[in-house]
Amino acid sequence: AQTVTQSQPEMSVQEAETVTLSCTYDTSESDYYLFWYKQPPSRQMILVIRQEAYKQQNATENRFSVNFQKAAKSFSLKISDSQLGDAAMYFCAYRSGYTGANSKLTFGKGITLSVRP
Amino acid sequence: DSGVTQTPKHLITATGQRVTLRCSPRSGDLSVYWYQQSLDQGLQFLIQYYNGEERAKGNILERFSAQQFPDLHSELNLSSLELGDSALYFCASSVGDRYNEKLFFGSGTQLSVL
Repeated sequence: AQTVTQSQPEMSVQEAETVTLSCTYDTSESDYYLFWYKQPPSRQMILVIRQEAYKQQNATENRFSVNFQKAAKSFSLKISDSQLGDAAMYFCAYRSGYTGANSKLTFGKGITLSVRP
Repeated sequence: DSGVTQTPKHLITATGQRVTLRCSPRSGDLSVYWYQQSLDQGLQFLIQYYNGEERAKGNILERFSAQQFPDLHSELNLSSLELGDSALYFCASSVGDRYNEKLFFGSGTQLSVL
């Protein structure tokens, strides 16, 4: 079974600075997808960024980018130019890439990010 | 707005009772997923339906059941409720059930069992 680990329960960043959220995962599969979801106080789960395991290039979405290290099974999220609206809980998630496999998302425990003005 | 609608937003009930949570997926989405979010267990996958049929089952208790109707909305039924069932229940939908499809989440139903 796949597992996703987020070992840092909380992090804090100064507005306009850069912060990196860590995530590691364990799987025996070679084809999979990794995600970062944001959950603000409104509770809505919002997809931040997605990475396909077969792609070597790290995904980027505006101020959000990932550092995907497949051999190390590491998938960190970097938020540049942090804004007050980035304050939320962030979840790392895994999804199998095999056709016919259970297409569920497996989530980490999450990390609470606070942004200091 | 994700386009996924969950009702009710909040639900307060007593132990031993039964409740029904409702989810309307985005227009055109055939897959519906149910997740439970609690402080101790985190986000746990419960069950998935695809076009009316159960596709995958996760950590869903026997006291819980779900179904997806012909109009594709889904209901999650929780019975013989216990204090530990208090959690935020999410519904998500996607067009199909392929691994590369995005999941869109509703705002959740906060269940409090007293």
